[in-house]
Amino acid sequence: EPEVTQTPSHQVTQMGQEVILRCVPISNHLYFYWYRQILGQKVEFLVSFYNNEISEKSEIFDDQFSVERPDGSNFTLKIRSTKLEDSAMYFCASTTSGDQPQHFGDGTRLSIL
Amino acid sequence: QKEVEQNSGPLSVPEGAIASLNCTYSDRVSQSFFWYRQYSGKSPELIMSIYSNGDKEDGRFTAQLNKASQYVSLLIRDSQPSDSATYLCAVKWGAQKLVFGQGTRLTINP
Repeated sequence: EPEVTQTPSHQVTQMGQEVILRCVPISNHLYFYWYRQILGQKVEFLVSFYNNEISEKSEIFDDQFSVERPDGSNFTLKIRSTKLEDSAMYFCASTTSGDQPQHFGDGTRLSIL
Repeated sequence: QKEVEQNSGPLSVPEGAIASLNCTYSDRVSQSFFWYRQYSGKSPELIMSIYSNGDKEDGRFTAQLNKASQYVSLLIRDSQPSDSATYLCAVKWGAQKLVFGQGTRLTINP
C-alpha cells in the first residue's frame, strides 16, 4: 500500500538554526498538509498546499515557516529560525481530494536545544 | 467553545467487550468526519471515515454520525489488546484542514 514518507525521523537542532523537514506524499495525491503535535497535546493543523500554492494556513504558521514543492515528488516544511517551542512531532499528510481521508506519514520528531 | 471534544479517558474495557468512543464538534456545516488510531509515539492511522448520518460498519468497527446533534461515535466490537491506543476524532473544517480532538486513550484489559 502506498505510504507518505518523511525524513528525517528525528532532527535535533540548536535554537535559532534553520531546519527543513522533508516529505514524499503518495504519488497520485494532489493535496498536501503539515500538522504538528506537541508532546501530550492534540494534533494541530499548520498548512495545506494545492496546485503549487498555500490554500490555507493556521495562526501557528507565521513568517518563520514556509513550504515548498521543489519537484514532482517532495514537499518540504522549512522553519527559518527555530524556537524552543517548535519542539514537536511534525506530520505530513496527503490526499487525492479535499473530502477524502488524509493519510499521514510517520512523522519527524524535532527537538530544539 | 472547543471545536472538537472527546473524553480524554483513560477508558478501560475488558477483552472481548464493546468499546464506545464519543466525539462532539461545534461547526454545524462540517460534512466529513474521521477516526484515527494513534499508538504512543506513532502517527495517526486512519480507521474510519463517515460522511452521512447513520452507521457505517467496517469489520469490528462501526462509526455513527448524527449531524443534528453534532455527534460522532466509534464502536469497537470484540475488543483486542492490540486495540489499546489513543483514538482521535477529526473533523474537516472548511475546505481543507482537519481539526482534531484531544483523543481518548483506550486500554483493553486481557
